Amino acid sequence: GDSVTQMEGPVTLSEEAFLTINCTYTATGYPSLFWYVQYPGEGLQLLLKATKADDKGSNKGFEATYRKETTSFHLEKGSVQVSDSAVYFCALRSDNAGNMLTFGGGTRLMVKP
Amino acid sequence: NAGVMQNPRHLVRRRGQEARLRCSPMKGHSHVYWYRQLPEEGLKFMVYLQKENIIDESGMPKERFSAEFPKEGPSILRIQQVVRGDSAAYFCASSPQQGGPDTQYFGPGTRLTVL
Repeated sequence: GDSVTQMEGPVTLSEEAFLTINCTYTATGYPSLFWYVQYPGEGLQLLLKATKADDKGSNKGFEATYRKETTSFHLEKGSVQVSDSAVYFCALRSDNAGNMLTFGGGTRLMVKP
Repeated sequence: NAGVMQNPRHLVRRRGQEARLRCSPMKGHSHVYWYRQLPEEGLKFMVYLQKENIIDESGMPKERFSAEFPKEGPSILRIQQVVRGDSAAYFCASSPQQGGPDTQYFGPGTRLTVL
């Protein structure tokens, strides 16, 4: 079945450091890929998405590129801020799964001033 | 426009009791999804409902769990005779009628603890 694996946290960085959170997936067909973010005490928010190979999703300085050859969708940001501290979830939707999302385990990011 | 509301935010039950989790979708949304996050794991899909219909319940445990989304009122996820293994965070999401997965809006979750 479909699955998503992302690096375990917590990831602790200083402000303005470069961020990478790895995400790899297993799925049949051609899934759509997503990154969601959960700030403390809030629900999950869609951060960015990519629907086909080589697409790059971007939002709020975050980027991720859909790499079909490596089945990866790593999240990157060039310069993190304290306000980026949150839990980040990688997710996929298979093209034969209706609206169901399959999530990774989440990665907690802590950014220190 | 209020977001997806879930209540209670925290729920404590003893083994054998019933747990009822409520989800009020965003205004105008007619699709509701329930996900469960067990400790140290990712969110797992449980059930997808439209008003008065269960569309996909492939992620629901076969026993003790049920869900409904009535014509009026919130969606309810009901867990009968809870066991310690039901302790988890339960997230609800909603989407508008023509929504795809990127239009799922999530609530803050209900954290269920079974003593």
